[in-house]
Amino acid sequence: GDSVTQMEGPVTLSEEAFLTINCTYTATGYPSLFWYVQYPGEGLQLLLKATKADDKGSNKGFEATYRKETTSFHLEKGSVQVSDSAVYFCALSEGANSKLTFGKGITLSVRP
Amino acid sequence: SQTIHQWPATLVQPVGSPLSLECTVEGTSNPNLYWYRQAAGRGLQLLFYSVGIGQISSEVPQNLSASRPQDRQFILSSKKLLLSDSGFYLCAWSRWGQETQYFGPGTRLLVL
Repeated sequence: GDSVTQMEGPVTLSEEAFLTINCTYTATGYPSLFWYVQYPGEGLQLLLKATKADDKGSNKGFEATYRKETTSFHLEKGSVQVSDSAVYFCALSEGANSKLTFGKGITLSVRP
Repeated sequence: SQTIHQWPATLVQPVGSPLSLECTVEGTSNPNLYWYRQAAGRGLQLLFYSVGIGQISSEVPQNLSASRPQDRQFILSSKKLLLSDSGFYLCAWSRWGQETQYFGPGTRLLVL
């Protein structure tokens, strides 16, 4: 079945540091890929997505590129802020009206 | 614009008691609806999803059930709660024919 693997956490960075959160996937077809963010005590918010190979999703300074050859969708940000502290989930979808398969999530803490 | 509501926000229940969590979506018609559970230290687990009134698919056998009595209402229930039912329950919706899911604020359930 489909699966999403995220790097182990938690991750602690200083403000303005560079961020990379790794995500790899296994899927039978050609999935769409997502990053969701969960701020403390809240539900999940869509951060960005990519629907086909080589697409780059971007939002709020975050970027991720759909790499079919390495089955990866790593999340990056050039300069993190304290307000980026949250749990980040990588997910895939096999198509419209289908479920999302999530990774375990990783907690990011950014120190001032 | 579309909004998704969940209530209650938090709930403390004794073992063996019944459960009813409600989710409603506004501003759209015929949405796909989903229930997820996020247990401490784990990722998100899809529990149920529905593509229409009265249509429920279960992903994980357990003592929970779901119902969709109206187009934009999704209810998660249990007749007798277990300690292992504690967690953060998230409802989500997506437009028919699309992949992106939008999450509610969640209900935090503690079973004692």
